[in-house]
Amino acid sequence: GAVVSQHPSRVICKSGTSVKIECRSLDFQATTMFWYRQFPKKSLMLMATSNEGSKATYEQGVEKDKFLINHASLTLSTLTVTSAHPEDSSFYICSASHGSTDTQYFGPGTRLTVL
Amino acid sequence: AQTVTQSQPEMSVQEAETVTLSCTYDTSESNYYLFWYKQPPSRQMILVIHQEAYKQQNATENRFSVNFQKAAKSFSLKISDSQLGDTAMYFCAFTSRKYNFNKFYFGSGTKLNVKP
Repeated sequence: GAVVSQHPSRVICKSGTSVKIECRSLDFQATTMFWYRQFPKKSLMLMATSNEGSKATYEQGVEKDKFLINHASLTLSTLTVTSAHPEDSSFYICSASHGSTDTQYFGPGTRLTVL
Repeated sequence: AQTVTQSQPEMSVQEAETVTLSCTYDTSESNYYLFWYKQPPSRQMILVIHQEAYKQQNATENRFSVNFQKAAKSFSLKISDSQLGDTAMYFCAFTSRKYNFNKFYFGSGTKLNVKP
């Protein structure tokens, strides 16, 4: 149980384009979903927290207009990197939790490369 | 702000031996949870073990156990009978009721190499 999927696993795009990453909880309803960014050989950096049906809460220093987060249902959250630039290249990981537990369950991550 | 410190960037252990990864944290909260996550080369984060702060008994999960020293704010992970599949990055993480147990603070990670 508690499986989280991400799609796509890898994406390469040209500078200036937008990329959407999906995060789904497959066997539970995720009241809260989280988006992290991980640089090579570094720890996870929380970007934002999203609750179903409400606006995401962004961490300090994360551009809301650049990283659009939508949590339209209890099983799906999306992260859209708008007007991507090479410095946005990174590994993006989502996680999900449900109200009955403190544990976060992580997706397999998405490798974004912006050319 | 909460901080989580992992002072060992990289460690090695022979297969079948025991290794301990250290983690310290700093908080003024009393109601919190601590976690160890494993990130193998596949990059998938996998929950290894977790501990509730108000529980004095150390958590165990098969070959994995923790040494939770609340007063010292220490939360080390012991891996017994190490296996090649244990090779991974290990992250210590903290959350508390202050953040509705939502916001996780991660340590910088320890890369564990299990050698045959």
